[in-house]
Amino acid sequence: AQKVTQAQTEISVVEKEDVTLDCVYETRDTTYYLFWYKQPPSGELVFLIRRNSFDEQNEISGRYSWNFQKSTSSFNFTITASQVVDSAVYFCALREKNTGFQKLVFGTGTRLLVSP
Amino acid sequence: DSGVTQTPKHLITATGQRVTLRCSPRSGDLSVYWYQQSLDQGLQFLIQYYNGEERAKGNILERFSAQQFPDLHSELNLSSLELGDSALYFCASSTTGTPRVDEQFFGPGTRLTVL
Repeated sequence: AQKVTQAQTEISVVEKEDVTLDCVYETRDTTYYLFWYKQPPSGELVFLIRRNSFDEQNEISGRYSWNFQKSTSSFNFTITASQVVDSAVYFCALREKNTGFQKLVFGTGTRLLVSP
Repeated sequence: DSGVTQTPKHLITATGQRVTLRCSPRSGDLSVYWYQQSLDQGLQFLIQYYNGEERAKGNILERFSAQQFPDLHSELNLSSLELGDSALYFCASSTTGTPRVDEQFFGPGTRLTVL
């Protein structure tokens, strides 16, 4: 069965610190997709990144970077030089291909608090 | 702005009542998904429609039903409401129903409060 674990419930940092959000997933499928979404205090879910299981190349987008490691079933998210606007709940999610389903299975989320 | 719209933004009702949540997908998107976010269960997939047909079902209660209309908008109907149904209900849309091409873009959600 598919499962996503975000062990960090809440992280507090001071502005300009780097922070890494952990995500560990479980799946029996060989083809799957991993996602990160951001939920700011306003409540909407904002798509950040998609990564498929055949592409283990790390990705960097501005202050955001993602480290995908199949060997440890992890897809961690790092924010460099955090800012107050990064305060939000971040969700890691998984989608499997084998069942033909499109559902996203979400982790429980990590609340990031960035203080000035 | 994701391009997905949901109405109403907030809904307050009483136990036993029935409500309808509405979702309009992004222009050109054929798939619509419904998710429930509650304190107890987190974010959970409820149901997916693709071009008017049900494609996948998740943890959706029998008291809940959904449909997708010819103009591709979707409605989620919740009946015999209970206190535990209080949650944020998200609609998402994607271009197709296949996994190889698309992300799901989420609407702003409808916050349902059952008193």
